[in-house]
Parts: sequence; C-alpha cells; structure tokens
Amino acid sequence: DAKTTQPTSMDCAEGRAANLPCNHSTISGNEYVYWYRQIHSQGPQYIIHGLKNNETNEMASLIITEDRKSSTLILPHATLRDTAVYYCIVRVADAGNMLTFGGGTRLMVKP
Amino acid sequence: GAVVSQHPSWVICKSGTSVKIECRSLDFQATTMFWYRQFPKQSLMLMATSNEGSKATYEQGVEKDKFLINHASLTLSTLTVTSAHPEDSSFYICSAFDRRNSNQPQHFGDGTRLSIL
Repeated sequence: DAKTTQPTSMDCAEGRAANLPCNHSTISGNEYVYWYRQIHSQGPQYIIHGLKNNETNEMASLIITEDRKSSTLILPHATLRDTAVYYCIVRVADAGNMLTFGGGTRLMVKP
Repeated sequence: GAVVSQHPSWVICKSGTSVKIECRSLDFQATTMFWYRQFPKQSLMLMATSNEGSKATYEQGVEKDKFLINHASLTLSTLTVTSAHPEDSSFYICSAFDRRNSNQPQHFGDGTRLSIL
C-alpha cells in the first residue's frame, strides 16, 4: 500500500469548514483513497473513499487532485463532535486487504 | 449502514485470566475479520486476519497461542487473550469485511478496553 503523509494536528473553528490534507505521491492506479476517523475511545468510523473523481456524502467531501498524488477531506461545517483523529489510507479495493493506519491528523474543533 | 458490534466494551480482570472478546457483523456477512490493538497515544496495529472457516493469519510478533482467534461463522469472530498479563492491557478493535463485495469499506467495532491487574 502507498504511504501517506498527513499533518500531525490541526485546529478548526466550530461552524467553519475543516480541510484535512493528505499526500500520497506513490499511489498506484488501482489504489483507492480511504478516510476514517477515530473519536476518543471508539473504533474507527468510515467517512468516505474515492479513486479519482471527487466524492461527496452526508459526512464529507473528498477532493482528489488530477495526478492523484494528494487529496483533501472537507468537513463543510465542523462541529465539536468532529474532534477526532482522521486517517487517510490508500489501498487497493481488493478482497481481504487490511487497512494500514499511520499517525493521522488530530483535528481539534474549537468553539 | 453496516454495523459491527463488539463485546464487551470494557473488562478488568486479574493476571492469569483468559478473556474472550466477541465481534459480530449485524447486517452483513463478514467473510474476513481483522483484529487490531491500540496502545495509548498510538495508532492501530494489525494483530491478525481471520477468514471464515479457516485459520487466522497472524502478524509478525503476535503470538498465535496467546491470542486465539475463531471465525466459525459469517457473522462472528472471537479473540481470546489467554493467561493475560498487565502488558496485554490495551484497546482491542475488530473490523469486518465481505470480500465478495470488495467495493464496500471495512467497518469497525467500538473496541474493547482490556485492563489486566
């Protein structure tokens, strides 16, 4: 699986958009970008994933650059409950492949 | 959406005790389940991969005789920590996946916090 690089921590004001970057310059053509988050003392929660097109769901938007070497997770209106560690993971969407978690970005949403 | 239930959520026991943790997929069939361990302020580390009906595959450094994994059905996997000691205290998390539907993401349980006295 391609390695990812994320900032260690970020702050965001409540109600503002939170933009979390991820670099994955060695991503392969068949690797997807997955985003999970982990709220304190809970298991990781799936947020969104994509291959090359931008994706949006009820939780977030995923913007992938044209060369696929980086992506940004956007939480459009961050709330205090969005405070968590956000993990960007790239992997093939294949049967049985485990997820390899890096350090993630610790997002602190402040009032 | 897909739900994975993990039980118990929290357990405290004496050193030398064996502890069983259950992981259930509630609304889908999990052909594959993964078991992770997370120490304070660290990321998740994969311990083992289990496929329904076959033996688990353990990551390097994880003792298979200490961490017994059973995946006897498409909705249940169990992790038994045998003769637990204080150094086994950690946050154990399972995830479930249906390899026949590989476009769907893995879903995680809420974890089990194990404290060995």
